[in-house]
Amino acid sequence: KQEVTQIPAALSVPEGENLVLNCSFTDSAIYNLQWFRQDPGKGLTSLLLIQSSQREQTSGRLNASLDKSSGRSTLYIAASQPGDSATYLCAVTNSGGYQKVTFGIGTKLQVIP
Amino acid sequence: DTAVSQTPKYLVTQMGNDKSIKCEQNLGHDTMYWYKQDSKKFLKIMFSYNNKELIINETVPNRFSPKSPDKAHLNLHINSLELGDSAVYFCASSRLRTGRNEAFFGQGTRLTVV
Repeated sequence: KQEVTQIPAALSVPEGENLVLNCSFTDSAIYNLQWFRQDPGKGLTSLLLIQSSQREQTSGRLNASLDKSSGRSTLYIAASQPGDSATYLCAVTNSGGYQKVTFGIGTKLQVIP
Repeated sequence: DTAVSQTPKYLVTQMGNDKSIKCEQNLGHDTMYWYKQDSKKFLKIMFSYNNKELIINETVPNRFSPKSPDKAHLNLHINSLELGDSAVYFCASSRLRTGRNEAFFGQGTRLTVV
């Protein structure tokens, strides 16, 4: 059974700082890993999708890496801004049979102006 | 333009009532999902439909019955609502294919049972 863990649960940083969010998963047989952002009272917005054959993806100030063998992914946010404040969720899609998506509980990020 | 839309956004109802949440996607995806996000913000899959067929059914009470009239719609009907059903329910869709399978989510339906 796939389990996804995100560390830290909460993070508060001053504006402009670079930061790293961590995600680990127990079953390395995955199709892909996706990072989402969730704003309070809102839905989930897809940030980056890393396919199982890839090692990283970049979008603007965001960079996500994937190490399937060790069951880890990191989301790097450069030059953080107050608008980055949100909860960041990691989700893993398993391979084999039906593609089931398992979420971590998220990291709540607060960027202080 | 909304890719995955859910209605209603908020739903307040009394215990014992029956209610439905509707979901529609205009992305041409073949797979749709329902997730429940509890008070601790944990997202857990409930159901998944591929081409209108049920492919994932997690341990969910029989009071929850998904219905997929076509590939673009997956509605969630809940009978005899209980206090513990209060949560935010998210609909999502994706295209099942090797590798990509990027999921897109609706804005959620906040269900409050009183």
